[in-house]
This record gives sequence, structure tokens and C-alpha cells, in this order.
Amino acid sequence: ETGVTQSPTHLIKTRGQQVTLRCSSQSGHNTVSWYQQALGQGPQFIFQYYREEENGRGNFPPRFSGLQFPNYSSELNVTALELDDSALYLCASSLTGGETQYFGPGTRLLVL
Amino acid sequence: GENVEQHPSTLSVQEGDSAVIKCTYSDSASNYFPWYKQELGKGPQLIIDIRSNVGEKKDQRIAVTLNKTAKHFSLHITETQPEDSAVYFCAAPSGGSQGNLIFGKGTKLSVKP
Repeated sequence: ETGVTQSPTHLIKTRGQQVTLRCSSQSGHNTVSWYQQALGQGPQFIFQYYREEENGRGNFPPRFSGLQFPNYSSELNVTALELDDSALYLCASSLTGGETQYFGPGTRLLVL
Repeated sequence: GENVEQHPSTLSVQEGDSAVIKCTYSDSASNYFPWYKQELGKGPQLIIDIRSNVGEKKDQRIAVTLNKTAKHFSLHITETQPEDSAVYFCAAPSGGSQGNLIFGKGTKLSVKP
């Protein structure tokens, strides 16, 4: 059974640029949630995708957007990057209606 | 919405001792409480979870207890080992949404050999 994978592992961008992060869900999981984890903090919910549609969103501005593909993989896109966007971005997958979420290793984003 | 408080923020124990981490939550409708372990440079790993229809759950050296009346739940690690050293997070679902977990701020556990 393949776990949740994310790419890239690290990324450095400058203010104003945009970035796309990718996530492959665990085998058999059709729901993907994205979280932002600032240094020394717990993860914060960004949004969830189910059946290729956004299914819940946290307190993040519209410049954070996402996609889910028919194979359940997902992308997180962030435009107009700000310094405060520097964080670990985590993807978690789960089964339909399932509470249990399994996290990937994350993508470390640094905005200079 | 849900609010999760976690303490202590840091915990240092000697190898072989027990460690206890406590969390409180605000939404009485919450019914699922996972615990995650995060090692340096890695994503959170689910180590145990509990649902509101039980008061305690054990898995080898790890146990979680839940008090729905008081709205708090705790992680207990017995016979700690150096490899237990990590940051531990508790979480609870927000507003019944299965996608939106609200996390505590974490507890950094150090187990000294």
C-alpha cells in the first residue's frame, strides 16, 4: 500500500511569485485535505477536495486555490506569495466519509 | 467553531518513565479525537485515535482517555524510549466537518536516556 506522497520536498520562491505543490493520496483514498504548518505551530486547515470539488475551506484568502484530478491526486496553488506564506504545506488523504486522515511528508516553502 | 488547547508545550522525562499530554476542546458535538506524532522534518503520523463512544483505548505502550463531560482527552505513553522523542499533536474536528481538523499547538517530548 502506497502512502501519501508530496512534491517537491523543498522550494524557495520570492515575494509576488506563484507556486504549485502536488500530492498523491494514499491508495484507495478519494479525499484530500491541505494544511499549512508554520514553524512551532500545529497544522491549519486550508481546504479539502472530494470528487474534484472543494468541500470545505479554512480561513485562507482566495489566492490559495486547489485542484483534484480523477486519480484523486491534488494540487495546491498559491499566487502573489507573501513572506508569511513560508511554512510546511501538508497534504492528508482519507476515505469518503472517513475521519482518519493520513499525512504526507510535506513541502517546505520558503518565501524570500 | 472548535478550539483545542494542549499542554504542556514541552515535556522532558527519563527513559522508562511515563508521559502524559492533555488536551481540552470546546465543541461538545466533536466525536473523534486523533493524536499525531511529528518527528523533525517529517509529516504528522497518526499514532492513536478515539471516538466518543468509548472512554479509553490502548495500543501497546500508548493509551488515550476521553472525558466527554469535561471535554478533555489525554495521551499516555508508558515505558518511554528515546525514539518517543518528537512533537505530539492532539486534534478534533471542526463543526462536524470530517475534513477540518483543529490541532493543538503541540507538545515537544524529550526522552533522556
